[in-house]
Amino acid sequence: DAGVTQSPTHLIKTRGQQVTLRCSPKSGHDTVSWYQQALGQGPQFIFQYYEEEERQRGNFPDRFSGHQFPNYSSELNVNALLLGDSALYLCASSFGDWTGANVLTFGAGSRLTVL
Amino acid sequence: EDKVVQSPLSLVVHEGDTVTLNCSYEVTNFRSLLWYKQEKKAPTFLFMLTSSGIEKKSGRLSSILDKKELFSILNITATQTGDSAVYLCAVEIWGAQKLVFGQGTRLTINP
Repeated sequence: DAGVTQSPTHLIKTRGQQVTLRCSPKSGHDTVSWYQQALGQGPQFIFQYYEEEERQRGNFPDRFSGHQFPNYSSELNVNALLLGDSALYLCASSFGDWTGANVLTFGAGSRLTVL
Repeated sequence: EDKVVQSPLSLVVHEGDTVTLNCSYEVTNFRSLLWYKQEKKAPTFLFMLTSSGIEKKSGRLSSILDKKELFSILNITATQTGDSAVYLCAVEIWGAQKLVFGQGTRLTINP
């Protein structure tokens, strides 16, 4: 049973560029959440997608946007990259009918470095 | 603003020692508190706590929640080098379907 898969695992961009990160949820899950984890910090909630719509959003600028596809996979897009966007981006999947945070399953993340 | 604070931020001990990690929180609408272990990248679930005073235990790890004083502790006894990791505390907010994380405690176990 495949867990949450993310791609790419590592990538390097320069300031001002745009990046797209991808996530496939765990089998049976239909909700995808994205978190940003800066070095030495805990993860911060970016947004959550369910039924192809953004359901919740954290305190992140509009440069951060996302999409969910009919097969429940999701993309995170970041435009006009800043040095401060360098972080590990974690995807987590769950059921749409939220039964509790213990069902949340995290992927291994995409490590973004902005130079 | 919802806040979760962990202490210490970093801890180095010898194999066999017992450690206690702390997590305090101030949130608007508490539902549960969770502990995760992050060794390389993906945080892995350890415990979810919802009621005060009831200890959750898994092998050498245990955790307890105090909803009056708004904190939780994670204990690890007879530590092993494989316990070296970042331990994350997170609080689940009612209705928000998201987690608010603390900064994490980096635990290093030396042989």
